[in-house]
This record gives sequence, C-alpha cells and structure tokens, in this order.
Amino acid sequence: RKEVEQDPGPFNVPEGATVAFNCTYSNSASQSFFWYRQDCRKEPKLLMSVYSSGNEDGRFTAQLNRASQYISLLIRDSKLSDSATYLCVVNEMAYNNDMRFGAGTRLTVKP
Amino acid sequence: DAMVIQNPRYQVTQFGKPVTLSCSQTLNHNVMYWYQQKSSQAPKLLFHYYDKDFNNEADTPDNFQSRRPNTSFCFLDIRSPGLGDAAMYLCATAGTENSPLHFGNGTRLTVT
Repeated sequence: RKEVEQDPGPFNVPEGATVAFNCTYSNSASQSFFWYRQDCRKEPKLLMSVYSSGNEDGRFTAQLNRASQYISLLIRDSKLSDSATYLCVVNEMAYNNDMRFGAGTRLTVKP
Repeated sequence: DAMVIQNPRYQVTQFGKPVTLSCSQTLNHNVMYWYQQKSSQAPKLLFHYYDKDFNNEADTPDNFQSRRPNTSFCFLDIRSPGLGDAAMYLCATAGTENSPLHFGNGTRLTVT
C-alpha cells in the first residue's frame, strides 16, 4: 500500500463548479499535511497547509480527518486559472521526517 | 527574489558521464530535500538533510549521492547517469520537519 494516495483524476469541470480532492495516508503518526499546486513543467507551489481544525483561504478549504486518515481540498467557484495538478504532501514523522507526495490529481477547468 | 536557487535550469549529460546539480538557499533553513520527478508522476524523495544529518531513502539508487557542505548549499551527484535518470530534479528547503517545503525552479536533466 502506498503511503500517500490521491484520487486518480483527472477532473474536468466547468467554470464555477465545486470540486473536491481527497488524499489518504497510511502512517497514523503523521503530523503535517499540505496541499501543493503544480503547473506544467513548473515546480510545486504551496497552496495551503492543513490544520487539525480545518482551514479556509478564499475559495479553498482544507480539512483533516485523523480518524480516517485523510485530508481533503475543496475548491469552490472554479476558475480557468485553477487548472493544474494538485498534490498532497504528508510528513512521515516515523520515517526520518520524510515529506512524501501523493501522485497528484489533474484538474482542468473549462469555459 | 528567488530564495531557493537551482543551477542549471537545464542540464544535458551523456550516458555514464558524472553530473552535479546544485541548490542554494537564502532562507537559512535547516532541512534540504532532493526530489526526482518524471513526467506525469509525483515528486519522489531521494534524500534529505536535517542540518548535517543525512537521510537516504531505501530505494534511492547508489548512483545518486548528495553533499551538503554548509547550510546554504546542497549538491546532487549522479555518478553514472542512465537514460532512466532523465527527469526534473527538485530541491526544496524547510525550516523544520513540520514546515512547508519551499522549492527551487528545478533542473531538467537530459541524458543522451
């Protein structure tokens, strides 16, 4: 079983749609969780950290469910510019603090 | 201003010819990571340093080595590049083990 797994995607949605991604992790001791956005042939860029209480940044909402060991990202009112690959990252504290990526979910927002 | 700088942006090397990729940071972060990312795949962790402590992933080939001579610099040495090593190599830093990663622009390696 992979340590960090994401919805396979791809997601193709119209502008204005709400879309949600999930990411599961296998190590219950993991402490830190993040969502990154990666555009084609660019480096990943931090979208938001994921806090235990859940957090929101504009149209983006991130949540953590420790009991079920998953994190989620919700994007409301999708824009064309949201088209990218979304990667979840989990800090595997039990394994030398490795920061591990999920495989990524490709989102395309269409007019 | 770029805070994590990778050089060069594009590197072409010949099969079997050693190559070194460099990464520097102005953030004074303790942790530095090297990732390999192939087309349409997630970044794969090769190794990381917490300060001078080196942590190698179990499945990182021996062909890949790293050096961190000081806080600011980290190098990735590929001793005998094969065609399968063509990829984007990403350097990232973090203030602590729990902090978000700050990535450089990456070095795209081509092996001919």
